[in-house]
Amino acid sequence: DIQMTQSPSSLSASVGDRVTITCRASQGISNYLAWYQQKPGKVPKLLIYAASTSQSGVPSRFSGSGSGTDFTLTINSLQPEDVAIYYCQKYNSAPLTFGGGTKVEIK
Amino acid sequence: QVQLQESGPGLVKPSETLSLTCTVSGGSIKSYYWSWIRQPPGKGLEWIGYIYYSGSTDYNPSLKSRLTISIDTSKSQFSLKLSSVTAADTAIYYCARVFSGWTSVFDYWGQGTLVTVSS
Repeated sequence: DIQMTQSPSSLSASVGDRVTITCRASQGISNYLAWYQQKPGKVPKLLIYAASTSQSGVPSRFSGSGSGTDFTLTINSLQPEDVAIYYCQKYNSAPLTFGGGTKVEIK
Repeated sequence: QVQLQESGPGLVKPSETLSLTCTVSGGSIKSYYWSWIRQPPGKGLEWIGYIYYSGSTDYNPSLKSRLTISIDTSKSQFSLKLSSVTAADTAIYYCARVFSGWTSVFDYWGQGTLVTVSS
């Protein structure tokens, strides 16, 4: 099975900072990669699919890039409401697999 | 607006079968795939499996031998049965809609239900 590895596992940044989270697949998955945001005590929310396509209603400060094995989620100008755990998910084939998550906090 | 709601026992004894139902409202259960995902307390997400409205399924190989997912389109419900549970199956169980057949991501989620496996 393809493994998804996220880095870092946690980060702390200041409001207004640019934040980058990385997700690496153990084998190539083309662009079959999604990103989710899970705020404390809440349900995961789909942010991005197809590596770089934003889900409707997602703020423009969130963007995704990458293809093959290496992907990034970027938050331009971090906001207090962005405190959450972010997960990547590959979906090129079953089993669908999530990364271990990246916890984003405000410094 | 599509809404999903999980229901079922919050406590299951070891070696017994965990059974949950997800009720879909605000949209049709037809023409979509529907999935179960779980999250042990304080840990990450694990895909359990999904079912198409026609009844075809795909399961996580790690759970396949213990797992059954079924659907009742007349009631707009789909269900999960996981047999021979252990403490490792303690988790928040979410039901979710799959965005499309070609894009197996999850765009609508239920609120989740905590299932604890304990005697």
